[in-house]
Amino acid sequence: SQELEQSPQSLIVQEGKNLTINCTSSKTLYGLYWYKQKYGEGLIFLMMLQKGGEEKSHEKITAKLDEKKQQSSLHITASQPSHAGIYLCGAVRYQGGSEKLVFGKGMKLTVNP
Amino acid sequence: NAGVMQNPRHLVRRRGQEARLRCSPMKGHSHVYWYRQLPEEGLKFMVYLQKENIIDESGMPKERFSAEFPKEGPSILRIQQVVRGDSAAYFCASSPRTTFSLQETQYFGPGTRLLVL
Repeated sequence: SQELEQSPQSLIVQEGKNLTINCTSSKTLYGLYWYKQKYGEGLIFLMMLQKGGEEKSHEKITAKLDEKKQQSSLHITASQPSHAGIYLCGAVRYQGGSEKLVFGKGMKLTVNP
Repeated sequence: NAGVMQNPRHLVRRRGQEARLRCSPMKGHSHVYWYRQLPEEGLKFMVYLQKENIIDESGMPKERFSAEFPKEGPSILRIQQVVRGDSAAYFCASSPRTTFSLQETQYFGPGTRLLVL
């Protein structure tokens, strides 16, 4: 089963609408990254959250890590076509003697003008 | 400051050939991670390297796959005798240090899309 579940799997919204993406972990989150990926391109770092209750914002995107540290949400206010892409959450895992990121499958966002 | 660079961006190979993927980390970064993204799946960790050392290869297939990060030059992910199931996007990420508690971010390259015919 997937360690990180993202919901919804995809979303189509009208420009100007607000939306929220969720990332739920089966294990305690020690660090949670949000990346954005456009087709054919690499991952663009958005934000990283570490502490329960922590909230960070960048332009119109706000991410929060819940108090119990097993879920994070990403909220986009007044969505624009430039927000379209695949949003990936990645969690820090300590396995095999090193740290690595495990990712959810991503949430594909389409913003219609 | 150039970002993480990967080449080639696209690679087509026939079954049985070898694929060599290159990754140049960001300047000042000595930690390199390789991930694979299969169609309809998320990114999966493959291997973590520091200069001249493989730190964690727990995500690498046991056969045909190898990685290196020499003292000079880019990191190389090598796939021998490729099969159709190797078709995927391969991403490289780099960071200056490994310790996430210091909030070191992994920065990703644009990826190499491998297609095996």
